[in-house]
Amino acid sequence: AQSVTQPDIHITVSEGASLELRCNYSYGATPYLFWYVQSPGQGLQLLLKYFSGDTLVQGIKGFEAEFKRSQSSFNLRKPSVHWSDAAEYFCAVGGGGGFKTIFGAGTRLFVKA
Amino acid sequence: NAGVTQTPKFRILKIGQSMTLQCTQDMNHNYMYWYRQDPGMGLKLIYYSVGAGITDKGEVPNGYNVSRSTTEDFPLRLELAAPSQTSVYFCASSGGTSGRPWDEQFFGPGTRLTVL
Repeated sequence: AQSVTQPDIHITVSEGASLELRCNYSYGATPYLFWYVQSPGQGLQLLLKYFSGDTLVQGIKGFEAEFKRSQSSFNLRKPSVHWSDAAEYFCAVGGGGGFKTIFGAGTRLFVKA
Repeated sequence: NAGVTQTPKFRILKIGQSMTLQCTQDMNHNYMYWYRQDPGMGLKLIYYSVGAGITDKGEVPNGYNVSRSTTEDFPLRLELAAPSQTSVYFCASSGGTSGRPWDEQFFGPGTRLTVL
């Protein structure tokens, strides 16, 4: 079955510290992978996406993610977190000719001063 | 270019009432989606559409209906509202220049619905 797992429900990091949010997927076809961010009271906004090519992709707001096919993972990273990064982050997978994108349950990021 | 707009932003319904959540996109996207978001549950797909006149069920369609008479509009109808439909509802669209339905989805700001 197709699925996306975000093992961490919430994470707290100090401002200026590095961040890694984990994402594992199960998908029968070639996956197209996404990270979205949701600020409180807002809709989701795309941070970055991976379709093919270089497995390290850069996104907006200084985020990057690395696709590791052998581990079925697509972890999101940022070298130095800012207080404005506090939000909920969703990993998603789509593709294979289908119309649907499957979203993970989300990881809520808290940033402490 | 407003992107995806949703109305209303908030609504309280009584059990058994009906309502329509409106969604409009101005990006000429073929693909449109309705999701509900419950705390800790991520996004669940209710219905989706691949073009005007074509809709299909997602994971959780019971209690909802949709129509797609134009490319721009994709309203979601709740009939006989129940407390289990208390949620935040998001409309999204995709399939711009790439033409791929699984490309980036653009989301509206959401409608927070409470059924009492």
